[in-house]
Amino acid sequence: DADVTQTPRNRITKTGKRIMLECSQTKGHDRMYWYRQDPGLGLRLIYYSFDVKDINKGEISDGYSVSRQAQAKFSLSLESAIPNQTALYFCATSGNGFLTKNIQYFGAGTRLSVL
Amino acid sequence: DQQVKQNSPSLSVQEGRISILNCDYTNSMFDYFLWYKKYPAEGPTFLISISSIKDKNEDGRFTVFLNKSAKHLSLHIVPSQPGDSAVYFCAASAWNYGGSQGNLIFGKGTKLSVKP
Repeated sequence: DADVTQTPRNRITKTGKRIMLECSQTKGHDRMYWYRQDPGLGLRLIYYSFDVKDINKGEISDGYSVSRQAQAKFSLSLESAIPNQTALYFCATSGNGFLTKNIQYFGAGTRLSVL
Repeated sequence: DQQVKQNSPSLSVQEGRISILNCDYTNSMFDYFLWYKKYPAEGPTFLISISSIKDKNEDGRFTVFLNKSAKHLSLHIVPSQPGDSAVYFCAASAWNYGGSQGNLIFGKGTKLSVKP
């Protein structure tokens, strides 16, 4: 089983709909992240959380919200989806230790299409 | 403004030869650098990293070189294999840079094709 699991893997939705992407991890890491990838643009950070009570905006947080329900779960919501939110979304985790904090481990991604 | 740049969108190499992927950065406060590999329909996977206190790190066929004065790092794959065909992302972080908290800044990626 994957250490970082994202659901759903694919989703098609309509403009204006609310949608939630979920992420769960079994690595025991405190830190979790949400990224989006667009063709030719690499990965850009949307939100990150260093523990259950700590939520921070990333580079491109507008139009998104997150919830850290537990150490192992971090969900991303689009309150009212718009077509330019069509992208590949990745969840990632990292540890807190001196050696583990630098390396992030990614889920397989969710491909979202907003029509 | 891009802080981490991978100026070559693609690279094609013959099997058995060396692949060299390049990455430039602009923020002198970056102190940790990573390379990730990504296959289609999968998430990025960590490949190799280097701290700014070093200039070289090696792991099997993969070696990362860091030139701090030039703000440049490169990933060497020797020998290249068809299974190395993937998109490679360079990433950097700055743990001692105010406010960044060590978050990774990614380049746009380079697609490597290794031909048999």
